[in-house]
Amino acid sequence: EVQLVESGGGLVQPGGSLRLSCAASGFTFSSYSMNWVRQAPGRGLEWVSYISSSSNSIYYADSVKGRFIISRDNAKNSLYVQMNSLRHEDTAVYYCARVRLGYPDYWGQGTLVTVSS
Amino acid sequence: EIMLTQSPATLSLSPGERVTLSCRASPSVSSYLAWYQQKPGQAPRLLIYDTSNRATGIPARFSGSGSGTDFTLTISSLEPEDFAVYYCLRRSTWPSLTFGGGTKVEIK
Repeated sequence: EVQLVESGGGLVQPGGSLRLSCAASGFTFSSYSMNWVRQAPGRGLEWVSYISSSSNSIYYADSVKGRFIISRDNAKNSLYVQMNSLRHEDTAVYYCARVRLGYPDYWGQGTLVTVSS
Repeated sequence: EIMLTQSPATLSLSPGERVTLSCRASPSVSSYLAWYQQKPGQAPRLLIYDTSNRATGIPARFSGSGSGTDFTLTISSLEPEDFAVYYCLRRSTWPSLTFGGGTKVEIK
């Protein structure tokens, strides 16, 4: 069974940093590209970042470019996002999602990041 | 930049009714469109990919159609567990991934 479990969310002050993790199991993690997608409270889904299976291709939404860094460790079956210079508008549930045939197919349950003073 | 517009924003329906949700793309996305269902407090679930292919485990009452700029998700007969928010998504064309704004299907 495919499982994705996010962790690392919490309350952080504006300007602060946070590192989210996503632990994958039930599939060959190293064979799949991965995404981070977020959802602000009461809002729709917003793509955040993408990383290819071998980390050769990395992309970011304009809203986080220069502040967030996506990475993965295929030996540990783990995906990460380092979030720096956090803003109020980064408050959201952050989901990791596997990519198959160009679409996010399996998603984790999400981890809440709250940016507030 | 791809824009996906979903309509209506909210639908109020009763169990057993037929549902048709719309997603309009600008510009054309060929057949590269997916649909997701999201219930409160849960992650999105992939329903349909490449316009009309049901994802693993998705009931046959869900179907997708369309091409180019106009797409439809149809639920043939609403079940109680189908009340949720539905999103369309344009398949990855890096460097971005685009979601529609969502349609909420609520109980009338």
